[in-house]
Amino acid sequence: GIQVEQSPPDLILQEGANSTLRCNFSDSVNNLQWFHQNPWGQLINLFYIPSGTKQNGRLSATTVATERYSLLYISSSQTTDSGVYFCAVYDYKLSFGAGTTVTVRA
Amino acid sequence: DGGITQSPKYLFRKEGQNVTLSCEQNLNHDAMYWYRQDPGQGLRLIYYSQIVNDFQKGDIAEGYSVSREKKESFPLTVTSAQKNPTAFYLCASSMKQGGNQPQHFGDGTRLSIL
Repeated sequence: GIQVEQSPPDLILQEGANSTLRCNFSDSVNNLQWFHQNPWGQLINLFYIPSGTKQNGRLSATTVATERYSLLYISSSQTTDSGVYFCAVYDYKLSFGAGTTVTVRA
Repeated sequence: DGGITQSPKYLFRKEGQNVTLSCEQNLNHDAMYWYRQDPGQGLRLIYYSQIVNDFQKGDIAEGYSVSREKKESFPLTVTSAQKNPTAFYLCASSMKQGGNQPQHFGDGTRLSIL
C-alpha cells in the first residue's frame, strides 16, 4: 500500500513562532487531508487539499501532487495549536502518516 | 447540528467478552469507516461501508465485525478473538467512498481491558 511519511516527528515551539510540517507520500493519490488531533483525541479536519494552496487563518497548506508532498504552515503559533498533526492520503482508502507532535510553550 | 456521534466515550472489556461500539451520523453520508489508533501511531482502517447492507475489510479486520443495516448507523463489535483490543477507536463518514470526498470523524471511544 501507499506509504506516508511525516516530518519532523516532534516539534517544540515558543508561542508566536512559525513552523512547517512536511508530508511525503510514495505514490499517486486521489486526494489529501490534514488533521489536528487535540489532547482529548478529537480529530479536526484542517484542510482537504489535492493540489495547490489553501489558507485558513494562521494555518495554510500546499500540496504538490506531481512531486508527492504536502506542507502545513503554522504561523504565530499559540498554545492551542499543541497536539498531533496528521497527514492522510487517498488512493482507494485513507492512509495516515504517524503524525507530528507539536508542543507550543507559553 | 449535523455530525457523528460515538458512544460510549470509555469502555471496559473483560476477557472473553464481546463489546459493541456505536457510531451514528446525521450527515446523510453514504460511506462510513472504522479506524483504530494505538498510542503514538496513526490511524489504521478496520472496516468500511459504501452503502447499506454492504461492507469491506480494511487492513486490520481480524477480531472485529460490523453491520450496516441503516444508512446512519455503523456499529463495530470487538470480539473475544481480538487479543489486543486496548486502543482508541474512531468512526468516520464521507458523502461517498473514494478520494474526492473528505472524511469527517467522531470523537472516539477508548477501549480498555479489565
